[in-house]
Amino acid sequence: RKEVEQDPGPFNVPEGATVAFNCTYSNSASQSFFWYRQDCRKEPKLLMSVYSSGNEDGRFTAQLNRASQYISLLIRDSKLSDSATYLCVVNNYGQNFVFGPGTRLSVLP
Amino acid sequence: EPEVTQTPSHQVTQMGQEVILRCVPISNHLYFYWYRQILGQKVEFLVSFYNNEISEKSEIFDDQFSVERPDGSNFTLKIRSTKLEDSAMYFCASRDFYQETQYFGPGTRLLVL
Repeated sequence: RKEVEQDPGPFNVPEGATVAFNCTYSNSASQSFFWYRQDCRKEPKLLMSVYSSGNEDGRFTAQLNRASQYISLLIRDSKLSDSATYLCVVNNYGQNFVFGPGTRLSVLP
Repeated sequence: EPEVTQTPSHQVTQMGQEVILRCVPISNHLYFYWYRQILGQKVEFLVSFYNNEISEKSEIFDDQFSVERPDGSNFTLKIRSTKLEDSAMYFCASRDFYQETQYFGPGTRLLVL
């Protein structure tokens, strides 16, 4: 089983749509969780950390379910500028990041 | 806002040649990382570095790879004898002592011919 799995995508949605990304991880001892976004041929950039209580940052909401080893990201009112690949990232024991394969989002006018 | 920088942005080399990729982490960060991303694939961990030594490395980081912090600001990745399959984007990342968030540099695109 792969360490971090994500929806395969791509997701093509119209502007203003709500889109949800799912991610599962295999290591039950994983400690911290993040969503990064990656634009084409660019570096990953932190979108938000994911906390057990769930957290929201503007149009973005992240949820973590440790029992199910599941992480989600919800984007509301999507903008053209949200088009990117969204990376689910898991941190084990404070060391290296384990990246999911990413889910590509295209927001269409 | 402080950022991680990397040089060069692109490097083309012949198979068997040595390359050195350079990174300047954010100045107060203490943990440093190298990752690579082969075109169309996911980001993969190579090595982490703390307190002037390697703290963890992946199976990819074999004897052909080495890292060094030659001075107080630079962090380098050396590939001794490049192979075709080393062609990838190489990202440096750093973080501070207290937070686990890693900040990534813009990457070096390496092409081995």
